[in-house]
Parts: sequence; C-alpha cells; structure tokens
Amino acid sequence: QVLLQESGPGVVKPSQTLSLTCTVSGGSISSGAYWWSWIRQHPGKGLEWIGYMHYTGRTYCNPSLKSRIIISKDTSKNQFSLILSSVTAADTAVYYCARDPRGSSSEPGCFDYWGQGILVTVSS
Amino acid sequence: SYELTQTPSVSVSPGQTARITCSGDILPKEYAYWYQQKPGQAPVLVIYKDNERPSGIPERLSGSSSGTTVTLTISGVQAEDEADYYCQSADSSGSYPVFGGGTKLTVL
Repeated sequence: QVLLQESGPGVVKPSQTLSLTCTVSGGSISSGAYWWSWIRQHPGKGLEWIGYMHYTGRTYCNPSLKSRIIISKDTSKNQFSLILSSVTAADTAVYYCARDPRGSSSEPGCFDYWGQGILVTVSS
Repeated sequence: SYELTQTPSVSVSPGQTARITCSGDILPKEYAYWYQQKPGQAPVLVIYKDNERPSGIPERLSGSSSGTTVTLTISGVQAEDEADYYCQSADSSGSYPVFGGGTKLTVL
C-alpha cells in the first residue's frame, strides 16, 4: 500500500518561504515508473497543479508559479519537497502531494495516490 | 478561467443517473481523468484514460468521451456519491496537467 504524507508549518508569514515535505512509504521515489507531484486547493475552490518531479530530478512547474517554486528530493529518506517563495495570502491553501504513474511518457498522467493534505495559511 | 469546463452543480434523486460533463479543446487529443472529493478528504481517482476504472471503484461509475466532451456517468446514484467531481487532462500544449473547475453532485 502506497502512502504519502505531507508535513510542514501550518502558518507562514507573508513574503516568507513555504517549505513542505512529502514522505512516501510503500514505494520508492527512485522508481522510473512515477512522477511525484504537488497540487493545491484554495479554500472552497478547485484543484491547481503546482509542479512535479521525475526520479531523475527533472522538474516541471506550473508557469503561473514557476518563478517561485523549487521541487527537490531526498532519496535517502524517500521524500520530495516543495519550496514556494515570497508567499502572499493568495497562497493560503491545502497542499497535497500525489503520485503520477505515467512512467516514461512525456504526457501528463493522472494522480493515483494522494496525501491527506496539509492546510497552509499565510498570515502575519 | 479553466481550460476544462464543468457544470458547477448537478442534482439527482437516489437511484437516478447522474451525468457530469467536462469540455475542452484538448480532450480529443489527450486522456481525461476523473476524481471524487468528499468534504475534508483528498481527491480519489475514479476514472482514468477516459473510461477505465481503478480497482475498488464501483461499476456504477463509468466514463465516456465524445469529441471535446468527456462524461462521468453515475448509474443508480447513492447518497454516498454526493461529492465534488473534478476532471483532469492536459493543457493546450499537452505539457502539464490541468483540472476542471469541479462539479458538486447533490443527492436529493
């Protein structure tokens, strides 16, 4: 059974940096079969893809957020992370990590496993 | 605005059939996926590659595709089907994932 678990601060001050980690169990982030993603959901709103990473370290990010995002991995801990800089109230959301099982395909796939989500509030 | 357009809400009585549609120019070229999200929970994949059902998803949920529209059909709707449903595909360049705005299914 694959499990993903987000962790990080629940509150971040405006202009500061949001840092979240996703710990994966039941599967290796070093597997070439998967891409590892971050997705967010503003309160009461829909889903927004943030970015994802392949086991090789290749990353793709939502163009609307690209200048503020870094996605990285720690294979020794089977974790991947999201850094979002210069946050504002508009970044208040539930952040999910998720797995895309598309393997070597260049086209986006689906998200078959999700973490439970973590609410991050940007507030002073 | 969303590249994938969904009707904001659908209401049906128990036992009826609910049809939730998602429209987008990319859909003839890219697969569509559907997620069910209940309050306070993470989304769950219910349909992949237009019409495939993951293990554990009831047979009453099915997907179909026609041109620029994909449809999630829930036959014999039950109270437990009340949830938000999101379609997902790729952006206009086929490079990254995009979600529809979501449809709230209410079981009367």
